[in-house]
Amino acid sequence: QSVLTQPPSVTGAPGQRVTISCTGSSSNIGAGYDVHWYQHLPGTAPRLLIYDNNNRPSGVPDRFSGSKSGTSASLAITGLQVEDEADYYCQSYDSSLSREVFGGGTKLTVL
Amino acid sequence: QVQLVESGGGVVQPGRSLRLSCAASGFTFSNYGMHWVRQAPGKGLEWVAGLSYDGKNKYYLDSGKGRFTISRDNSKNTLYLQMYSLRADDTAVYYCAKSPFVGVGGTPLDYWGQGTLVTVSS
Repeated sequence: QSVLTQPPSVTGAPGQRVTISCTGSSSNIGAGYDVHWYQHLPGTAPRLLIYDNNNRPSGVPDRFSGSKSGTSASLAITGLQVEDEADYYCQSYDSSLSREVFGGGTKLTVL
Repeated sequence: QVQLVESGGGVVQPGRSLRLSCAASGFTFSNYGMHWVRQAPGKGLEWVAGLSYDGKNKYYLDSGKGRFTISRDNSKNTLYLQMYSLRADDTAVYYCAKSPFVGVGGTPLDYWGQGTLVTVSS
């Protein structure tokens, strides 16, 4: 069981908008720790997509956005493209565990 | 450009040891914290260990405490993960990743390597 909870899968059609949720608790997201998001294609290096809840590193399209409220965070992807098909992970810090924690990952399928 | 290249993975018997290395280039290695993250077959990402820029502050996943040691040689731009008493559930692809800060607590991982596969099996 992951400390941060994500839906196992989401599906969308090209051009549509999807959101991926990341639910934590009072010892991680709810304690004010930032949430970061990664895109991972099997066999490749994971890529930082969103840092500090809602910031995009240079080179990440503005179709990707993040938000955080209370004990949860969300990643939104607009204008879905076939190449967005990948696994997405949220990450934060947990003060009870004194370490970084990841969500279980969400597989995005673009049909 | 930032490059992180892991090596040292392979097949090892349960109870044996293995040392992973991560060669860094394209940035001033000694100025940044570093992490190890793993992904077991069919599973998600799992943070394993973190180390501050100067090697003084180390953090571990509970299951790795006492069995894993993270270290760095800033003169060689290399990060290490020494693993002892390996178990079948340590089987995974191990990634090294960079922090954008000197420390590693609560930071994003802004660059990752391609990973090295560790298989623990008799």
